Amino acid sequence: AQSVTQPDIHITVSEGASLELRCNYSYGATPYLFWYVQSPGQGLQLLLKYFSGDTLVQGIKGFEAEFKRSQSSFNLRKPSVHWSDAAEYFCAVGDTGNQFYFGTGTSLTVIP
Amino acid sequence: DVKVTQSSRYLVKRTGEKVFLECVQDMDHENMFWYRQDPGLGLRLIYFSYDVKMKEKGDIPEGYSVSREKKERFSLILESASTNQTSMYLCASTNGGLGAYEQYFGPGTRLTVT
Repeated sequence: AQSVTQPDIHITVSEGASLELRCNYSYGATPYLFWYVQSPGQGLQLLLKYFSGDTLVQGIKGFEAEFKRSQSSFNLRKPSVHWSDAAEYFCAVGDTGNQFYFGTGTSLTVIP
Repeated sequence: DVKVTQSSRYLVKRTGEKVFLECVQDMDHENMFWYRQDPGLGLRLIYFSYDVKMKEKGDIPEGYSVSREKKERFSLILESASTNQTSMYLCASTNGGLGAYEQYFGPGTRLTVT
């Protein structure tokens, strides 16, 4: 069965610092990979997704993610974090067979 | 602009009550979903629907039922609410299958069962 692991429950970074959120998945074939963000009191919003092709994917709000098949990873990055990036981030994996799983999330705190 | 709305942001119910959570989407999407979100567990799929009057169980359907009488509306029903159903409930919709398409989420309903 597929699974998604986000090993960091909570991360704190200073505003302006770089960010990397980790995501590992377990899946037999090449999955569809997603990152969603949930701001306080809000629903989830898609940041970016990977289906095929270029393994470096650009998303909204200056985020990017890199698919590494050999490491079964899809880590999210941002070169310079803004205070408004404080939120919960979810990695997710799916396929065309209606299988879809979210990770447990990483909570990001940004300090001035 | 796509929109998924949920009938209540906050709800407090007593144990044993019947609870209805409503979700409406204005994107003419075929597929709609109900998740519950709990700290440390992420989002877990309760039920989904790929057409009017059609439903499929997700990973944690026990204690819940759903209704989809119109394409734009998907209701989650707690027949007899229990304290372990205190949670955040999120509705979502897509224009494709569950695994491969962007899901659009509502703002969530925080349900407390006392």
